[in-house]
Amino acid sequence: ETGVTQTPRHLVMGMTNKKSLKCEQHLGHNAMYWYKQSAKKPLELMFVYSLEERVENNSVPSRFSPECPNSSHLFLHLHTLQPEDSALYLCASSPVRGGTDTQYFGPGTRLTVL
Amino acid sequence: GQNIDQPTEMTATEGAIVQINCTYQTSGFNGLFWYQQHAGEAPTFLSYNVLDGLEEKGRFSSFLSRSKGYSYLLLKELQMKDSASYLCAVSDSNYQLIWGAGTKLIIKP
Repeated sequence: ETGVTQTPRHLVMGMTNKKSLKCEQHLGHNAMYWYKQSAKKPLELMFVYSLEERVENNSVPSRFSPECPNSSHLFLHLHTLQPEDSALYLCASSPVRGGTDTQYFGPGTRLTVL
Repeated sequence: GQNIDQPTEMTATEGAIVQINCTYQTSGFNGLFWYQQHAGEAPTFLSYNVLDGLEEKGRFSSFLSRSKGYSYLLLKELQMKDSASYLCAVSDSNYQLIWGAGTKLIIKP
């Protein structure tokens, strides 16, 4: 496989469930990102990892918990979510954090919280 | 605050030309990106401008004026497959990407 992959592509969960989103990049990049995309709103940067170290956490509620076990994998653990958390969650990677490098995106996980 | 403005939706005809505008107000500037996103798919990179002027890449061109805080994406010879959302993003002084909400482009036969 090439590029950035995300699983699952679709997820429906109740407010009391615990689930995890997975992202994997096959590009040899050192930076990985989680974004939230809601309809008609700008992409919201949630977390940034550089060389497996979390370098940004943009005031995201604690019910979202990221994990980066190595430079190729990124997880987003979800628990006790709210209906307003329903959105498309996108993972991206770039060669380094910051700079002017292009970010490469995965296809996203469409999350619905009931 | 930092802000990126672009039209919510535009409609154009197959074979025609369309220009999608983006204005920005950011703390610093380290380049402007355009991405294309088809419904249900990942955003994909289209262009990057850091100097003033026009960058041409096939049917797509992107223009930047840093003094005006303005960019546009020009799509020529429109095809049905160009129906998508087009996202404008600016890299600020901290090299963080500030995103617009995207312009949904509808192409009609």
